Amino acid sequence: NAGVMQNPRHLVRRRGQEARLRCSPMKGHSHVYWYRQLPEEGLKFMVYLQKENIIDESGMPKERFSAEFPKEGPSILRIQQVVRGDSAAYFCASSLLEQGITEAFFGQGTRLTVV
Amino acid sequence: DQQVKQNSPSLSVQEGRISILNCDYTNSMFDYFLWYKKYPAEGPTFLISISSIKDKNEDGRFTVFLNKSAKHLSLHIVPSQPGDSAVYFCAASATGANSKLTFGKGITLSVRP
Repeated sequence: NAGVMQNPRHLVRRRGQEARLRCSPMKGHSHVYWYRQLPEEGLKFMVYLQKENIIDESGMPKERFSAEFPKEGPSILRIQQVVRGDSAAYFCASSLLEQGITEAFFGQGTRLTVV
Repeated sequence: DQQVKQNSPSLSVQEGRISILNCDYTNSMFDYFLWYKKYPAEGPTFLISISSIKDKNEDGRFTVFLNKSAKHLSLHIVPSQPGDSAVYFCAASATGANSKLTFGKGITLSVRP
């Protein structure tokens, strides 16, 4: 019973490149949340997705950031033309039910460093 | 606008004593509160939660108290153990908000042997 799997664990990108972060939810979970943790900060909500649907993207920057959760395969958080300020830890969580955030399990995160 | 505040960045306690971690919130729409524990290089792990209809929830060594009038909650760990050393995040959720969580900045707890 594998937990939430995120890859890569560490990602280094030069300014202007694209970053793709992947999240495979726990088996049977169809709800995925992405959070970002900047240095010395708490986790900040970015986006909530169900299979093939973006439910709430109110925390996601309007430009350069996009997320998807296709019918098959992992959820992808994509950051285009990365800048130094995008350096952070990105966490994905998955849950079985929309209301079941307490049953949401977090992955180990992807640490993005922009050089 | 920090809606969930953990004003003390760190706390150090002796093994066996009580650890009290505090959290304040400003958004009166929050009706569910959670504590997460996080070790370095790992994701947050759910610890304990409390609904706004309660003022106390206990699970083993962990107890969370909620004071709605003061918009304040606290996590008590007793007795504290060295393995409890971690960063503790307070988080809040509002019904109808798609279960998204608003986190505080975290408190680093160090339990001295």
